[in-house]
Parts: sequence; C-alpha cells; structure tokens
Amino acid sequence: EPEVTQTPSHQVTQMGQEVILRCVPISNHLYFYWYRQILGQKVEFLVSFYNNEISEKSEIFDDQFSVERPDGSNFTLKIRSTKLEDSAMYFCASRGTSGSGYEQYFGPGTRLTVT
Amino acid sequence: LAKTTQPISMDSYEGQEVNITCSHNNIATNDYITWYQQFPSQGPRFIIQGYKTKVTNEVASLFIPADRKSSTLSLPRVSLSDTAVYYCLVGRRYSSASKIIFGSGTRLSIRP
Repeated sequence: EPEVTQTPSHQVTQMGQEVILRCVPISNHLYFYWYRQILGQKVEFLVSFYNNEISEKSEIFDDQFSVERPDGSNFTLKIRSTKLEDSAMYFCASRGTSGSGYEQYFGPGTRLTVT
Repeated sequence: LAKTTQPISMDSYEGQEVNITCSHNNIATNDYITWYQQFPSQGPRFIIQGYKTKVTNEVASLFIPADRKSSTLSLPRVSLSDTAVYYCLVGRRYSSASKIIFGSGTRLSIRP
C-alpha cells in the first residue's frame, strides 16, 4: 500500500537555526499539506499546496515558513529561524484528485525539538 | 466546516463494540462526514466517510440517520490496538482547499 514518508523522524536544532523537513507524498497525488501538532494539543493546519503554488495557509504559516516541491517527488517545509515554540510534530499529507478532499494520507511525522 | 461535538473520552474493554457519536446540527446539504484515527505519536489516519445511511469498511461502520444531524462510528470487537483519538469532521467533499480543521476528538481507551 502506498504511503507518505517523512524524514528525518526526529530533528533537534538550536533556536535561530534553519530546518528543512522533507516529505515524499504518494506518487500520483497532486494536493499536499503540512500540519503540526504541539505536544498534547490539536493537529493544526499550516499550508496546502497544489499546482506548484500555495493554495491556502494559516496564520501560523508566517514569513518564517516556506514550502517547496523541488522535484517530482519531494515536498519540503522550511523554517528559516526556529523558535522554541516551533517545537512540535510536523505531519505531511497528500491526496489524489479522484477522492474526497477530506481523504488525506498523513505521514508518520517529524518531531522537531528546538532548544 | 460545520461545528461538531463528540465526547472527550471513552473507555471500553477488549472484545466489545464501541460506538462514538458525533453531533453536527448545522450540517449542510453538500457536507460529508469523515472520521480519522490517530495513534500516539503518529499521523492521523483516514478511517471512513459517508453521506447518509450506513457505510462499512474493513475498519469500521458509520451510521448516519436520515436528518444527518449526528453520526455514529462503530468499531466492532475492539482490541488494545484500537486505543487512539478519533476525530469527526464535517465538510464539503470536494472543497478545493480541503484543509482539515481537527478538533479535540474522542480519546478512546481500551482495557484488557
């Protein structure tokens, strides 16, 4: 069964450093998403991406965040200057065009720890 | 997205059938009902989606009454591995953006 993969599984970084979280969506999917979940809190939407551009972004997704699809398989989330409050699980998700918009496939997540 | 209300937590025992009910009084005509499952330290997982009556797959059944103001996710003969948070979502099936707004969900704990 195809699945979304994410690397690394755990990233530790110092405050102010840049991090790039990587995702490989399911191969024939065209819609991509990033969500995050701070420990003990709800899963929060960050950004959606389609046709090589951002479709929608939340208030959390400020100028410190960016997304890119550098090639035909990867989808990345970059945080330019990390803050302590960026510590969270970051989930990538993708969906196809034929299924429901709410039928998204999530990756296992990257745990980001900012010290 | 229509507002949904579901219990904060539920407990059950292995082998039991578990029913989690979600209220969505303001559901719109074009809205579908979707359920996700999230195990600890993992990403949410799509379980089931429906519009009316009953939908069944290998994981669960979804019961939706005629007025669609509520829905019930039914997990047959649960095991310890069904311990997870279950989220009920209501929204248009083919919304172009389709961002998912997760609530707090129902934390289901299964005991031996």
